[in-house]
Amino acid sequence: GAGVSQTPSNKVTEKGKYVELRCDPISGHTALYWYRQSLGQGPEFLIYFQGTGAADDSGLPNDRFFAVRPEGSVSTLKIQRTERGDSAVYLCASSLNGGDGYTFGSGTRLTVV
Amino acid sequence: GDSVTQMEGPVTLSEEAFLTINCTYTATGYPSLFWYVQYPGEGLQLLLKATKADDKGSNKGFEATYRKETTSFHLEKGSVQVSDSAVYFCALRTDSWGKLQFGAGTQVVVTP
Repeated sequence: GAGVSQTPSNKVTEKGKYVELRCDPISGHTALYWYRQSLGQGPEFLIYFQGTGAADDSGLPNDRFFAVRPEGSVSTLKIQRTERGDSAVYLCASSLNGGDGYTFGSGTRLTVV
Repeated sequence: GDSVTQMEGPVTLSEEAFLTINCTYTATGYPSLFWYVQYPGEGLQLLLKATKADDKGSNKGFEATYRKETTSFHLEKGSVQVSDSAVYFCALRTDSWGKLQFGAGTQVVVTP
């Protein structure tokens, strides 16, 4: 597509529930990144994919967070047993081959109540 | 570890005023430096970048110079417009594959 698409744009869930956030990168972009942006803060790195594999998942805060990219295109960020502290905007970005040519999506605003 | 510190907002100024947003960094090695902008309701967009010391990045009337001696990358614009109202993020990258470290962001509000 023309840009990075993230769905849903907004998600409200109850504490303890499971959520999935989807990212559809620009066609042909091999690198895909997930960031989390809390209110009043800058984006914080979560995980980076090169193709299908997670090249660096050092930013995932704990084992409740997991991400996949099974066919090297669409990625899903999965959060188990959500907590109120998980409330944030989750940003996805893609790039043709790493480097600094990022394109960010508009994000998914997750609210855990 | 690597970090980016930028001035707190909001910064409120009148149209045609001069804008400066301070950014300093701490990093090992020789990072690349970036300014990203987030307009209301939109995704982050790259505004400008500099990849080595003394480089000047520029775009849309904004400029920033990579100062290794002061570990700074201050953003400037000589005459702001209402349409420049946004949140501005300073960021650095030390890894070749592009992981970014962002500052907390500075909100800029330009009034007519």
